[in-house]
Amino acid sequence: DTGVSQNPRHKITKRGQNVTFRCDPISEHNRLYWYRQTLGQGPEFLTYFQNEAQLEKSRLLSDRFSAERPKGSFSTLEIQRTEQGDSAMYLCASSSEADTQYFGPGTRLTVL
Amino acid sequence: QKEVEQNSGPLSVPEGAIASLNCTYSDRGSQSFFWYRQYSGKSPELIMFIYSNGDKEDGRFTAQLNKASQYVSLLIRDSQPSDSATYLCAVIPSSASKIIFGSGTRLSIRP
Repeated sequence: DTGVSQNPRHKITKRGQNVTFRCDPISEHNRLYWYRQTLGQGPEFLTYFQNEAQLEKSRLLSDRFSAERPKGSFSTLEIQRTEQGDSAMYLCASSSEADTQYFGPGTRLTVL
Repeated sequence: QKEVEQNSGPLSVPEGAIASLNCTYSDRGSQSFFWYRQYSGKSPELIMFIYSNGDKEDGRFTAQLNKASQYVSLLIRDSQPSDSATYLCAVIPSSASKIIFGSGTRLSIRP
């Protein structure tokens, strides 16, 4: 399977805990994006990497959120001190130089 | 004004009919436009992209773009029950690489 993969697919955590999600993009894609989606809404942009450089961050991305793509391949998204409002589907997408973005299956986060 | 606007629906269409989904966007300089399909609990799946004014056809799907009116639509011919899903309109604004999504239109195909 050469699509975008994300792990874990589901995460349940208690408020105040830290969580980390991983995204593996399509191998030849140099761009990687993180989005968050809540029920009844479209995905909201969080951040974007071109190779290992983080080029854009949404103001939605508070200082509790951090993302890395250390070798320009996979990426991690960490949420520190989780809050109930962080419960959402976290989506990763990748693209080549063209615009078209392909999404992974997502990680569903539930904060109790 | 939202950057990408869609009617949330639900839009109910009989099987075999044409489903018409509409979207407007606010950034006149936007160049890239996408339609994604999303089944409940799943991630968005790319259906079509369109860059130029006019129509683009792919199988039962036709995307239409009118940049002067800042309007993009998706037509689904011969609608099938498996087309029942939420359809997300997405736009890349002129100044960005990120995609801005609408909130989606829920489509229901009734047998």
